Amino acid sequence: DTGVSQNPRHKITKRGQNVTFRCDPISEHNRLYWYRQTLGQGPEFLTYFQNEAQLEKSRLLSDRFSAERPKGSFSTLEIQRTEQGDSAMYLCASSPGDYQTQETQYFGPGTRLLVL
Amino acid sequence: AQKVTQAQTEISVVEKEDVTLDCVYETRDTTYYLFWYKQPPSGELVFLIRRNSFDEQNEISGRYSWNFQKSTSSFNFTITASQVVDSAVYFCALSEAEEYGNKLVFGAGTILRVKS
Repeated sequence: DTGVSQNPRHKITKRGQNVTFRCDPISEHNRLYWYRQTLGQGPEFLTYFQNEAQLEKSRLLSDRFSAERPKGSFSTLEIQRTEQGDSAMYLCASSPGDYQTQETQYFGPGTRLLVL
Repeated sequence: AQKVTQAQTEISVVEKEDVTLDCVYETRDTTYYLFWYKQPPSGELVFLIRRNSFDEQNEISGRYSWNFQKSTSSFNFTITASQVVDSAVYFCALSEAEEYGNKLVFGAGTILRVKS
Protein backbone atom coordinates (compact mmCIF):
# COMPACT_ATOMS: atom_id res chain seq x y z
CA ASP A 1 0.00 0.00 0.00
CA THR A 2 1.56 3.27 -1.13
CA GLY A 3 1.55 6.14 1.33
CA VAL A 4 1.18 9.84 0.69
CA SER A 5 3.88 11.14 -1.66
CA GLN A 6 5.04 14.70 -2.18
CA ASN A 7 7.24 16.26 -4.83
CA PRO A 8 9.68 17.81 -4.83
CA ARG A 9 11.17 16.95 -1.45
CA HIS A 10 13.27 20.09 -1.42
CA LYS A 11 12.97 23.38 -3.25
CA ILE A 12 15.27 26.40 -3.18
CA THR A 13 14.05 29.51 -4.90
CA LYS A 14 14.75 33.20 -5.06
CA ARG A 15 12.39 35.72 -3.57
CA GLY A 16 9.71 36.72 -6.02
CA GLN A 17 9.64 33.45 -7.93
CA ASN A 18 6.61 31.17 -8.12
CA VAL A 19 6.77 27.60 -6.86
CA THR A 20 4.40 24.65 -7.13
CA PHE A 21 4.28 21.54 -4.98
CA ARG A 22 2.46 18.32 -5.69
CA CYS A 23 0.81 15.85 -3.34
CA ASP A 24 -0.43 12.37 -4.23
CA PRO A 25 -2.70 11.02 -1.48
CA ILE A 26 -3.25 7.41 -0.52
CA SER A 27 -5.33 5.73 -3.20
CA GLU A 28 -9.09 6.20 -2.71
CA HIS A 29 -8.67 8.74 0.06
CA ASN A 30 -11.25 11.45 -0.52
CA ARG A 31 -9.92 14.04 1.92
CA LEU A 32 -6.69 15.90 1.41
CA TYR A 33 -5.10 18.47 3.72
CA TRP A 34 -2.21 20.90 3.44
CA TYR A 35 -0.25 22.07 6.47
CA ARG A 36 2.76 24.31 6.93
CA GLN A 37 5.45 23.71 9.52
CA THR A 38 8.08 26.26 10.46
CA LEU A 39 11.21 25.46 12.43
CA GLY A 40 10.51 24.50 16.02
CA GLN A 41 6.75 24.59 15.62
CA GLY A 42 3.96 22.13 15.05
CA PRO A 43 2.22 21.95 11.68
CA GLU A 44 -0.46 24.58 11.01
CA PHE A 45 -3.54 23.91 8.90
CA LEU A 46 -3.69 25.64 5.52
CA THR A 47 -6.52 24.12 3.52
CA TYR A 48 -8.66 21.05 3.02
CA PHE A 49 -10.30 19.25 0.07
CA GLN A 50 -13.17 16.81 -0.01
CA ASN A 51 -12.69 15.21 -3.42
CA GLU A 52 -12.17 18.17 -5.77
CA ALA A 53 -13.97 20.72 -3.60
CA GLN A 54 -11.88 23.05 -1.45
CA LEU A 55 -14.05 23.28 1.65
CA GLU A 56 -11.93 25.23 4.09
CA LYS A 57 -9.04 27.68 3.97
CA SER A 58 -7.06 29.06 6.86
CA ARG A 59 -6.42 32.76 7.09
CA LEU A 60 -2.76 31.76 6.87
CA LEU A 61 -3.43 31.12 3.21
CA SER A 62 -2.82 34.57 1.75
CA ASP A 63 -3.88 35.49 -1.77
CA ARG A 64 -0.42 34.49 -2.99
CA PHE A 65 -1.28 30.88 -2.16
CA SER A 66 -3.57 28.74 -4.25
CA ALA A 67 -4.38 25.06 -4.03
CA GLU A 68 -6.19 22.80 -6.44
CA ARG A 69 -7.31 19.24 -6.64
CA PRO A 70 -8.78 19.13 -10.15
CA LYS A 71 -9.85 15.52 -10.43
CA GLY A 72 -10.14 14.66 -6.78
CA SER A 73 -6.87 12.77 -6.84
CA PHE A 74 -3.55 14.62 -6.60
CA SER A 75 -3.33 18.20 -5.37
CA THR A 76 -1.04 21.13 -6.11
CA LEU A 77 -0.11 24.03 -3.88
CA GLU A 78 1.26 27.11 -5.64
CA ILE A 79 2.93 30.07 -4.00
CA GLN A 80 3.28 33.17 -6.15
CA ARG A 81 5.85 35.90 -5.58
CA THR A 82 7.55 33.96 -2.81
CA GLU A 83 8.82 35.77 0.26
CA GLN A 84 11.48 34.72 2.74
CA GLY A 85 8.74 34.18 5.31
CA ASP A 86 7.34 31.39 3.13
CA SER A 87 10.36 29.23 3.97
CA ALA A 88 8.92 26.21 5.74
CA MET A 89 8.06 22.54 5.39
CA TYR A 90 4.80 22.02 3.49
CA LEU A 91 3.04 18.85 4.55
CA CYS A 92 0.22 17.03 2.83
CA ALA A 93 -2.07 14.52 4.52
CA SER A 94 -4.97 12.38 3.40
CA SER A 95 -7.79 10.47 5.04
CA PRO A 96 -10.52 8.18 3.72
CA GLY A 97 -13.45 10.62 3.78
CA ASP A 98 -15.92 8.57 5.77
CA TYR A 99 -18.47 10.96 7.29
CA GLN A 100 -19.41 8.51 9.99
CA THR A 101 -16.19 8.43 11.88
CA GLN A 102 -13.40 10.69 12.90
CA GLU A 103 -10.49 9.82 10.75
CA THR A 104 -6.79 9.56 11.06
CA GLN A 105 -4.76 11.73 8.72
CA TYR A 106 -1.71 10.13 7.15
CA PHE A 107 1.09 12.46 6.25
CA GLY A 108 3.54 12.60 3.40
CA PRO A 109 7.27 13.33 3.78
CA GLY A 110 6.81 17.02 3.10
CA THR A 111 8.37 19.56 0.75
CA ARG A 112 10.98 21.76 2.36
CA LEU A 113 11.00 25.24 0.81
CA LEU A 114 13.83 27.71 1.21
CA VAL A 115 13.35 31.20 -0.19
CA LEU A 116 16.59 33.13 -0.61
CA ALA B 1 -10.93 28.01 20.35
CA GLN B 2 -8.78 24.94 20.20
CA LYS B 3 -5.32 24.90 21.72
CA VAL B 4 -2.72 22.27 22.50
CA THR B 5 0.16 22.90 24.87
CA GLN B 6 3.26 20.77 25.11
CA ALA B 7 5.21 22.49 27.85
CA GLN B 8 8.31 20.33 27.52
CA THR B 9 10.40 21.71 24.70
CA GLU B 10 13.14 19.10 24.95
CA ILE B 11 13.77 16.01 27.06
CA SER B 12 16.99 14.01 27.24
CA VAL B 13 17.12 10.55 28.76
CA VAL B 14 19.51 7.65 28.83
CA GLU B 15 18.51 4.47 27.08
CA LYS B 16 16.19 2.19 29.09
CA GLU B 17 14.80 5.06 31.14
CA ASP B 18 11.06 5.67 31.12
CA VAL B 19 9.91 9.05 29.85
CA THR B 20 6.55 10.84 29.86
CA LEU B 21 5.60 13.53 27.37
CA ASP B 22 2.91 15.92 28.56
CA CYS B 23 0.01 17.29 26.53
CA VAL B 24 -2.68 19.68 27.74
CA TYR B 25 -5.52 20.76 25.47
CA GLU B 26 -8.32 23.31 25.37
CA THR B 27 -11.62 22.94 23.57
CA ARG B 28 -15.22 24.01 24.04
CA ASP B 29 -16.60 20.95 22.29
CA THR B 30 -17.78 17.88 24.12
CA THR B 31 -16.86 15.69 21.17
CA TYR B 32 -13.25 15.86 20.10
CA TYR B 33 -10.33 13.68 19.20
CA LEU B 34 -6.76 13.58 20.38
CA PHE B 35 -3.75 12.29 18.51
CA TRP B 36 -0.06 11.68 18.95
CA TYR B 37 2.35 11.79 16.01
CA LYS B 38 6.08 11.09 15.86
CA GLN B 39 8.38 13.07 13.55
CA PRO B 40 11.79 11.43 13.11
CA PRO B 41 14.68 13.33 11.52
CA SER B 42 13.47 12.29 8.07
CA GLY B 43 10.55 14.66 8.58
CA GLU B 44 7.52 12.48 7.93
CA LEU B 45 4.83 12.56 10.60
CA VAL B 46 4.03 9.04 11.79
CA PHE B 47 0.65 8.39 13.37
CA LEU B 48 0.81 6.75 16.80
CA ILE B 49 -2.64 6.90 18.39
CA ARG B 50 -6.12 8.42 18.17
CA ARG B 51 -8.47 8.76 21.13
CA ASN B 52 -12.01 10.18 21.22
CA SER B 53 -13.36 12.27 24.07
CA PHE B 54 -15.77 9.58 25.24
CA ASP B 55 -13.12 6.94 25.75
CA GLU B 56 -10.99 7.62 28.79
CA GLN B 57 -9.49 4.18 28.96
CA ASN B 58 -5.75 4.19 29.02
CA GLU B 59 -4.05 2.36 26.21
CA ILE B 60 -0.87 0.38 26.00
CA SER B 61 0.89 -0.65 22.83
CA GLY B 62 4.18 -2.36 23.43
CA ARG B 63 6.49 0.13 25.12
CA TYR B 64 4.04 2.98 24.50
CA SER B 65 1.18 3.95 26.79
CA TRP B 66 -1.23 6.85 26.89
CA ASN B 67 -3.06 8.39 29.84
CA PHE B 68 -6.18 10.42 28.97
CA GLN B 69 -7.73 12.48 31.78
CA LYS B 70 -10.66 14.73 30.85
CA SER B 71 -10.72 16.23 34.35
CA THR B 72 -7.33 17.81 33.74
CA SER B 73 -7.62 18.07 29.93
CA SER B 74 -4.46 16.04 29.54
CA PHE B 75 -3.37 13.29 27.19
CA ASN B 76 0.09 12.20 28.25
CA PHE B 77 2.34 9.74 26.47
CA THR B 78 4.81 7.42 28.19
CA ILE B 79 7.61 5.46 26.60
CA THR B 80 8.87 2.63 28.77
CA ALA B 81 12.47 1.45 28.49
CA SER B 82 13.35 4.09 25.92
CA GLN B 83 15.59 3.26 22.97
CA VAL B 84 17.80 5.39 20.76
CA VAL B 85 15.34 4.86 17.89
CA ASP B 86 12.71 6.69 19.93
CA SER B 87 14.64 9.92 19.39
CA ALA B 88 12.31 12.23 17.48
CA VAL B 89 9.94 15.14 17.86
CA TYR B 90 6.57 14.12 19.27
CA PHE B 91 3.43 16.10 18.57
CA CYS B 92 0.11 16.03 20.33
CA ALA B 93 -2.87 17.19 18.25
CA LEU B 94 -6.56 17.96 18.73
CA SER B 95 -9.46 17.80 16.31
CA GLU B 96 -13.03 18.85 16.96
CA ALA B 97 -15.90 16.93 15.38
CA GLU B 98 -16.98 18.87 12.31
CA GLU B 99 -19.40 18.06 9.55
CA TYR B 100 -16.75 18.51 6.90
CA GLY B 101 -13.14 17.72 7.50
CA ASN B 102 -11.26 17.36 10.73
CA LYS B 103 -8.36 19.76 10.71
CA LEU B 104 -5.74 19.09 13.31
CA VAL B 105 -4.43 21.65 15.78
CA PHE B 106 -0.93 20.69 16.87
CA GLY B 107 1.15 21.53 19.89
CA ALA B 108 4.66 22.89 19.42
CA GLY B 109 6.15 19.45 19.92
CA THR B 110 8.58 17.88 22.36
CA ILE B 111 12.06 16.90 21.19
CA LEU B 112 13.06 13.60 22.75
CA ARG B 113 16.74 12.65 22.77
CA VAL B 114 17.61 9.16 23.92
CA LYS B 115 21.30 8.63 24.54
CA SER B 116 23.01 5.26 24.54
